[in-house]
Amino acid sequence: EAGVAQSPRYKIIEKRQSVAFWCNPISGHATLYWYQQILGQGPKLLIQFQNNGVVDDSQLPKDRFSAERLKGVDSTLKIQPAKLEDSAVYLCASSFAGGTGHEQFFGPGTRLTVL
Amino acid sequence: AQTVTQSQPEMSVQEAETVTLSCTYDTSENNYYLFWYKQPPSRQMILVIRQEAYKQQNATENRFSVNFQKAAKSFSLKISDSQLGDTAMYFCALRETSGSRLTFGEGTQLTVNP
Repeated sequence: EAGVAQSPRYKIIEKRQSVAFWCNPISGHATLYWYQQILGQGPKLLIQFQNNGVVDDSQLPKDRFSAERLKGVDSTLKIQPAKLEDSAVYLCASSFAGGTGHEQFFGPGTRLTVL
Repeated sequence: AQTVTQSQPEMSVQEAETVTLSCTYDTSENNYYLFWYKQPPSRQMILVIRQEAYKQQNATENRFSVNFQKAAKSFSLKISDSQLGDTAMYFCALRETSGSRLTFGEGTQLTVNP
């Protein structure tokens, strides 16, 4: 079974530029999550999708971050414009459903460096 | 609000020995799930073990076991017969049944020495 795919793996941009990350969840997984992991910290949930609808985006900085999951499969996360403090690893995860006990499977992440 | 605290930023253990990683949490709910995730240097986060709060019996998965103390809100991970491949960052995480958000602790970097 293929895992969660993410691209690119690494990205370096200058502040005020825009960047987009892509995630392809495990086939059949209805729930998709985007996390931000700053160096030395645990992951923090940015947004959760159930199919193509948003379940939780309370910790998403909506003035610069946006995400979509068209057709309920792939998802993209965009930052526009980027700030220095956005430097982090962005993790995508998916689960079969959004239930509490369902295991979340994580992708390899995209390491973003903002100069 | 739910919080998770891991007070050991780094730990080391000799190969074949046993090590225990600590985790405390806070939640106002009675039903929730607790998890330990492993993140090796390649960065792919992997679930190690899961505990349902309403189950009194501690979860075990091969060399990994937990000590779940619900009243004390403590959830430690014991790794027996440590192997070099256990070297990784370990995260404790909490998920309340009323919501879907997974809240992670700060992590403990475990190094297994040969």
